[in-house]
Order: sequence, then structure tokens, then C-alpha cells
Amino acid sequence: QVQLQGSGPGRVKPSETLSLTCTASGDSFSTFYWSWVRQAPGKGLEWIGYMYNIRSVNYNPSLKSRVTFSVDTSKNQFSLRLNSVTAADTAVYYCARWVPALKTFDSWDQGSPVTVSS
Amino acid sequence: DIQMTQSPSSLSASIGDRVTITCRASQGIVSYLSWYQRKSGKAPKLLIYGASTLQSGVPSRFSGSGSGTDFTLTISSLQAEDFATYFCQQGYSTPTFGQGTKVEMK
Repeated sequence: QVQLQGSGPGRVKPSETLSLTCTASGDSFSTFYWSWVRQAPGKGLEWIGYMYNIRSVNYNPSLKSRVTFSVDTSKNQFSLRLNSVTAADTAVYYCARWVPALKTFDSWDQGSPVTVSS
Repeated sequence: DIQMTQSPSSLSASIGDRVTITCRASQGIVSYLSWYQRKSGKAPKLLIYGASTLQSGVPSRFSGSGSGTDFTLTISSLQAEDFATYFCQQGYSTPTFGQGTKVEMK
């Protein structure tokens, strides 16, 4: 199984852009799908989207207008950018590996808490 | 979106108890249902996918069943390391999750 390590700012101001990066250990990074999931306080988990490469990306329609994924295969990293954040974007953000053949997430990081506050 | 209704939201149990958690989908999802375990501050762990297939390395006291709209996660004999939050996820369409079930010590 792959090991995932997410990193982020911890705090972002309203209307600014949230940026998170996830680093995956192991080989064959470019052969997998990578995903972001979040959980706001008191709410359930929300899928943000997944990507295979820059040409194959699928976003949650509720966030599509504000979110952008990117990938750096040379560093085994994939990233999330969420712009125009509000307090509603305060959440723990998880990166995870999506296995489309099994319709499941088989590896996760421990989550990066992000607070949107001035 | 397919809504996933998980119950109960929490339960209290003792070591050795049989524990059952259910997940209901708002429409049929065939067997595209996964179960995860999450402990505070740790990465969620995949337990079961395809409704009933145990992920490699997961103890056999965990089992899953169901198809269509109704699914169950069973822990046959609760161990100390099983106190955690469990949640389901459907993969039939864009992924959605249950609200989670917190298993606490009685």
C-alpha cells in the first residue's frame, strides 16, 4: 500500500485561495487515480474530486467552479487549490488513492485541518 | 447525489460483543459499497470493498454484507483496538459517504 502525506497552511483568510499538497510514497504514481475528500466540523465526508492526470479530472459539481487539481509526477505529488474560500470551507482535508476498478479509496493520509478565518 | 444513511450514529459496546452497523443507500448501488475505520488523528483505513470483500490485512472478525440499498458491517467479537469511527461509502456514482458510527466502550 502507498503512504500518503498531506501538507497545508492550517489557516486561510476568507476570499483567499487554499492550497494543499499530498506526497505519495512508492512507485507507479502516474498509474493511479488521486483524490481529495474533506470533512467539515459536524458534517459527513465530502468527495472533492479525483484525477488520473491533468487531462483526466473529475470534480464534485458543487465545488467545480472553485477547485483545481494539479500533479507533479517527478515528485509524486498532487495538489488542490480552492479559491474564494469562506468559513464553510473550514474542514479536515484528506488526500486518498482512488481505485476505480473497485470503486473505493484504498489509502488515505491522516488529514490536514484547515481553518478559514481572518 | 446518492444519499447514504448510516445507523446508529454511535453505540456503546464491550470487548467480545458482536457489533452491527448498517448503511442504506437512497437508490440501488449494486455492491459498490466500502467500509472504513478511522481513529482520532490517524488515516482512515479501508476495511471492506465490494460490500463484502475484506481488504488485505484486515482481521477476519470484520465482515460485510448486503447489496442493492441495504448493507451491514459486522464485527464478530469486538477487540480493544476496534473502538473507532466507522463510515460507509458508495462508489456506484460520484462517491458519497455515510455520516459515521462512533463505537465507544461501554
